[in-house]
Formats: sequence, C-alpha cells, structure tokens
Amino acid sequence: QKEVEQNSGPLSVPEGAIASLNCTYSDRVSQSFFWYRQYSGKSPELIMSIYSNGDKEDGRFTAQLNKASQYVSLLIRDSQPSDSATYLCAVKGGNAGNMLTFGGGTRLMVKP
Amino acid sequence: NAGVTQTPKFQVLKTGQSMTLQCAQDMNHNSMYWYRQDPGMGLRLIYYSASEGTTDKGEVPNGYNVSRLNKREFSLRLESAAPSQTSVYFCASSERLGGIGNQPQHFGDGTRLSIL
Repeated sequence: QKEVEQNSGPLSVPEGAIASLNCTYSDRVSQSFFWYRQYSGKSPELIMSIYSNGDKEDGRFTAQLNKASQYVSLLIRDSQPSDSATYLCAVKGGNAGNMLTFGGGTRLMVKP
Repeated sequence: NAGVTQTPKFQVLKTGQSMTLQCAQDMNHNSMYWYRQDPGMGLRLIYYSASEGTTDKGEVPNGYNVSRLNKREFSLRLESAAPSQTSVYFCASSERLGGIGNQPQHFGDGTRLSIL
C-alpha cells in the first residue's frame, strides 16, 4: 500500500465548475499536508498547506483535512483552463520525519 | 532571480556510463534534496542534505551518490547508469529540513534523463 494515495485521473471539469481533488494517507501520525501544482514539463509549485483539521481557504482554493479519516482534499472553485495541471498531495511527519512523502498526483483538465 | 538551477536539462546516456547532475541554489537555504519522478509515482526522495557537510539516504538511494559541495551546491552522481534510472530528476532546497508552509521546498526545473 502506497503511503499517500491519489486517483491519477484525468479529472475533467467544465470551466467555472468546482474541481475536487482527494488524497488519503496511511501514516496516522502525519502532521503537515501540502498541495503542489505541476504544469506539464515544469517543476512542482506549492499552492496550499494545512496543519489542523477543518478547512483552509486561499482565494479560489480550499484545502480540507480530516485526520481521523486520514483524508485531505483540495477544492478549486470557478475552475479555469489555466488550472489544468497535475496536483500532487504531500505529507510530512510521522515515520518520514521531516521529509515529504508525495502521492502520484491527479491530472486535472478544465475544459472551456 | 534564479532560485534553484539544474544542469543539464536533458541527457541521454548508454547503460554503464556515468554522469553527474548539478544543482545550485542562490537562496541561502540550508537543506537540499534530490528527487526522481516517474509516471504515476509522484516524487520520490533519493538523497537529501540537511545542512552543509551532511547527506542522508532517502527512499530510493540505490545506484546514486551525492556530494554537498558547499552551501549552494548539491550534486547527484550515477556511477553506472541503468535503464531503470530513466526518469526526471528534480533538485529542491528549503530553509529548514523538509520545508514548512511559509518556507517550502523550492524546486529546480528538472533534468530529463534517458538511459538506453
């Protein structure tokens, strides 16, 4: 079992819709959670971090964390074609210590 | 405003050849990392350096060696390249080990390495 699981997609949503990206993790004592966006052929870029249960909003992005269910999600409201990218979930803490453990990523396609 | 610079950007090797991937950062970060990224596998940590003078193995270190030459530079060496090492390699750096939300890991643009 992979430590951080994501559906590889592609997840296809129409422009203006809400995109919902999900991630589960296996190490119950993980402490910090991150979402990276990676455009094709480019490097990952941090877009959200979340440390405690609940929601964290930043512009059109909302990260949601449920430690009891070992689940973290990213919502993108009013999706734009420029949001089309691969979104990587990363988890820090627990057995990996200070290192980040990445999921395989979900490819999002926003259609005009 | 370079950030993290990796060289080369592309490389094709034959099985058994050796090469060194170079990485330099100009953000005065203490920690540096080498990852590989394969389709559907996300980023996997090869080696990291918590600070100048120290290096440690990550998740997939076999077949690689690293050198933290100074605070700016962290190189990755393939001594005898194998087709299984065909991948995209990313170097990253952060102020603190692992990076945190307001001081995350910053990534270079990657090196695309093919081994025939």
